[in-house]
Amino acid sequence: EPEVTQTPSHQVTQMGQEVILRCVPISNHLYFYWYRQILGQKVEFLVSFYNNEISEKSEIFDDQFSVERPDGSNFTLKIRSTKLEDSAMYFCASTGMNTEAFFGQGTRLTVV
Amino acid sequence: KQEVTQIPAALSVPEGENLVLNCSFTDSAIYNLQWFRQDPGKGLTSLLLIQSSQREQTSGRLNASLDKSSGRSTLYIAASQPGDSATYLCAGGYFTGNQFYFGTGTSLTVIP
Repeated sequence: EPEVTQTPSHQVTQMGQEVILRCVPISNHLYFYWYRQILGQKVEFLVSFYNNEISEKSEIFDDQFSVERPDGSNFTLKIRSTKLEDSAMYFCASTGMNTEAFFGQGTRLTVV
Repeated sequence: KQEVTQIPAALSVPEGENLVLNCSFTDSAIYNLQWFRQDPGKGLTSLLLIQSSQREQTSGRLNASLDKSSGRSTLYIAASQPGDSATYLCAGGYFTGNQFYFGTGTSLTVIP
């Protein structure tokens, strides 16, 4: 079965540092997403990406966040200057045209 | 703004029982609805996707229905097993490539 792969599985970083979370979506999918889930809370949308540009973003996705699809296979989320409140599980997802969404296993980000 | 609600927040049943999980959404112009399973500290596993033109989907012991007019979806689990213990999330999509709106989830415990 196809799967979305995320690396690393865990990342610990100091406040103010930059982090890059990486994802390899399913190869023939067209739409890519980042979501996050703070421990014990709801899954929250961050951003969606299509045709090499952002198609939708939430209020959470401020200037500290950016996404990139540098080489046609990887999809990355960068947080420029991490804050304590950025600690969460970050999920990458991908879909085709009107197909089910597949999520990765997540990256647990801890900001200390 | 689209809101997705899941009731109950937690459910505990004895093994072998059939059960129904509920998902309500405020905007009936839903494009599709997907049910996911999440084990503690893990990613989201897709269970079933229902398109707006469909009324139900089945996979093994799972059956999901969608009633756009009443703004409801249900996930029916037949003959529950301890391995079904997890959090079940529903997510509604309104436009291809845009975000899915997640419910808060139902935490299911199946007691052996």
